[in-house]
Amino acid sequence: QVQLQESGPGLVKPSETLSLTCTVSGGSISRNNYWSWIRQPPGKELEWIGHIYYNGNTDYNPSLKSRVIMSVDTSKNQFSLKLTSVTAADTALYYCVRDKGRVFDYWGQGALVTVSS
Amino acid sequence: EIVLTQSPGTLSLSPGERATLSCRASQSVSSNYLAWYQHKPGQAPRLLIYGTSNRATAIPDRFSGGGSGTDFTLTISRLEPEDFAVYYCQQYGSSPRTFGQGTKVEIK
Repeated sequence: QVQLQESGPGLVKPSETLSLTCTVSGGSISRNNYWSWIRQPPGKELEWIGHIYYNGNTDYNPSLKSRVIMSVDTSKNQFSLKLTSVTAADTALYYCVRDKGRVFDYWGQGALVTVSS
Repeated sequence: EIVLTQSPGTLSLSPGERATLSCRASQSVSSNYLAWYQHKPGQAPRLLIYGTSNRATAIPDRFSGGGSGTDFTLTISRLEPEDFAVYYCQQYGSSPRTFGQGTKVEIK
């Protein structure tokens, strides 16, 4: 059974960079899957941020593309998210997810990140 | 991008009752590429349905999906205690993939 676990700071200051890492267990990150980040601001709908393939190829949501950087470390079975120049609007529950290219079949529990000074 | 609107926002029902959840798209969903997820507090969301009507692995047959074009439904034939949760629809017919805002199914 594939499991995903988010980790990273729960509080980020405005204008700084949000950084999260997802550790995948129960399966290799190098298999034929994409790995996504999805977020949910308080009271709002889920938003797909983007995904990365094990070879480093990425695709980002156009609404966030200018501020998103994703990377993968196959040796650690991890992938990461950086979101630059954050504002209060980036406060959300961030999920790392296994992405089948269409649907999302395994999700982490989520990591709450608050943007505040 | 396609906007998905779910209704009702909250559904109050008793165990054993039938639940019908709606998901309406702002434009036609290509190839009926629509999925449903269940989310319980403190747990990871779970994929229930993909391709409008196909159950994911290990999903009981009391869950069924239907619809086409812009109107889709998730039906839970007889609610079990573990079914009380928030349900989200998601379209993957066009990029970027988008989600509805969710329907909460609560115990009456």
